Amino acid sequence: GQQVMQIPQYQHVQEGEDFTTYCNSSTTLSNIQWYKQRPGGHPVFLIQLVKSGEVKKQKRLTFQFGEAKKNSSLHITATQTTDVGTYFCAGPRRGGSEKLVFGKGTKLTVNP
Amino acid sequence: GAGVSQTPSNKVTEKGKYVELRCDPISGHTALYWYRQSLGQGPEFLIYFQGTGAADDSGLPNDRFFAVRPEGSVSTLKIQRTERGDSAVYLCASSRTGGAEFFGPGTRLTVL
Repeated sequence: GQQVMQIPQYQHVQEGEDFTTYCNSSTTLSNIQWYKQRPGGHPVFLIQLVKSGEVKKQKRLTFQFGEAKKNSSLHITATQTTDVGTYFCAGPRRGGSEKLVFGKGTKLTVNP
Repeated sequence: GAGVSQTPSNKVTEKGKYVELRCDPISGHTALYWYRQSLGQGPEFLIYFQGTGAADDSGLPNDRFFAVRPEGSVSTLKIQRTERGDSAVYLCASSRTGGAEFFGPGTRLTVL
């Protein structure tokens, strides 16, 4: 079945370092969404990318959607302790359903 | 309220018992989703409602799981004959169709 894979599974950085997480789908996606889940919290929507090659920025966060619409990345510049959490990518299941298939996430820890 | 609410926040039950988990979506959101999240994993899709009808229930693991949304707003996830393997955080999300999903805080279910 359709799979969404994320790497790395864990990432430890020093505050101020950059961070990147990568998301790969086994199938072409109509769109991709990114969510952040703080420890003990619930997933919070960050952004949706729809167009091939799209790049969107939110302050220190840069999101990219690959040309083939099968991969995506999230890059955080100069991490802060508030960036701690697990970052998930998710794409709609093939076949037109609205349901999302989530990756396993990348857990980011930031050492002050 | 402004967000998705879920009750109870925690539920401890014994193996074999019946449980109901409630979700109150954001007003005006026609789409409602149930997910299950185990430790260290991404949310796993269970069922998706568009209005009152279950548009996609392919994620329900077996016939012990059932969900309803009789008036197109509040939804109840029902689990019969609970098993220890059902222990997880059950997340509800709502959205305007095809858009960002807004998650509730979840119900942590523990089956002893």
